[in-house]
Parts: sequence; structure tokens; C-alpha cells
Amino acid sequence: DQQVKQNSPSLSVQEGRISILNCDYTNSMFDYFLWYKKYPAEGPTFLISISSIKDKNEDGRFTVFLNKSAKHLSLHIVPSQPGDSAVYFCAASGGGNQFYFGTGTSLTVIP
Amino acid sequence: DAGVIQSPRHEVTEMGQEVTLRCKPISGHNSLFWYRQTMMRGLELLIYFNNNVPIDDSGMPEDRFSAKMPNASFSTLKIQPSEPRDSAVYFCASRRLSGQGRVYGYTFGSGTRLTVV
Repeated sequence: DQQVKQNSPSLSVQEGRISILNCDYTNSMFDYFLWYKKYPAEGPTFLISISSIKDKNEDGRFTVFLNKSAKHLSLHIVPSQPGDSAVYFCAASGGGNQFYFGTGTSLTVIP
Repeated sequence: DAGVIQSPRHEVTEMGQEVTLRCKPISGHNSLFWYRQTMMRGLELLIYFNNNVPIDDSGMPEDRFSAKMPNASFSTLKIQPSEPRDSAVYFCASRRLSGQGRVYGYTFGSGTRLTVV
């Protein structure tokens, strides 16, 4: 059973606009969350993280928002660039060593 | 650091053959994970090791799958016999064990694309 869900398999956004990628989780024990970006034929690479003591974390064009009551997190990319086109995975951990990943959202940024 | 190194990058094999995937984690990382990427389930954890000891192998799909970590710098994932439904991209990832309030993210290898015909 998927404990981390990304319900949108794909997303297309115009260059310069905002990209919003969503992720939902079911386990209330999760307290640390990551976003990974994956290009074709490469392994996922770490993008940004957030712990449950915060509701927002920002790194350049990337901001992750966490809504604990809704068990929802989102990744905002502003402004979107063609190089951001990739598959984005969210992952969650409950303090143990294991992260649970979503199925990914494929982002296409249209020039 | 060269990162997490996986070999081979691509493997094509016939159904029924044994397949061995290899992984070299980042030096100093003491936790190693094997994932399989599928369209339906995304990145699916197969097994992970802490300090070379298997901790959770509940994600291993069947007895046909086995994994070993004989030392801190090498791990294998073996499928015997292989079946067409095993075709997927297999990723190895490593990290430092979390502790003292720190949580470390994974570093992934580039993956092995397995095709079983």
C-alpha cells in the first residue's frame, strides 16, 4: 500500500511560470520529507528537504511547503525553466532509516 | 568522490538466466538500499542494509531475489531465475545512518536497466 502518493503523473508548465508538484502521505509518524529530481538514464538527485517542525523551506527557486494536518506537501518552482523538466519524487521518513517514495510526477517546462 | 557506482548500466538476458547487479556505495556511507523503479509503484524499496547487515527485506518480491553485502564497499542483487516481469530499472542508494538529530538523504547510483526477454 502506497504510504506516499503523487496523484499527478505529469504536469506541463510554461517557462517562467510557477510549477506546483503535490504529494500526500498517510502515515502521521512521518517527520522528514525530501524531494528528488530525476533525469532520464540517471539516478535521482536530492533537491530539497523539510522536517515536520517547519512548514516551509526555501532554496533558491525551490520552495517546499508542509501541511501536517492535511498530510500534504508541495514543491513550488518559480520561475520554471526548461532545465527543470524531469521526474520529481517526494519521499517521507518516520525517523527510521527507510524513506518511502511516491510514484513520481513528470514535469515538462515548455519554452 | 565518484558517487554510488552501479554495474552494469544495461543488462539484457533471457528468461530463466541468473542476473547479478552490483553496487559500490559512497565511502563512509554505512547504509545501503536497493530500489526498483516501476511505473505503477515508483521507487519501490527491495532491501536495505545497515553496517552490512540486512535490516528489512520485506520488499523483495520473491525468493528468486537475493541480496548480499559482504563488506562496506560492495553489494549485489541477484535474480535467479529471471522472468520478463523483472524488467525494470534497479537503483542502489547509500547514506550515512541517521543519528544525533541528523537525517541524511540518499545518494543514488545511475541505475541498472534490466530487460528480461
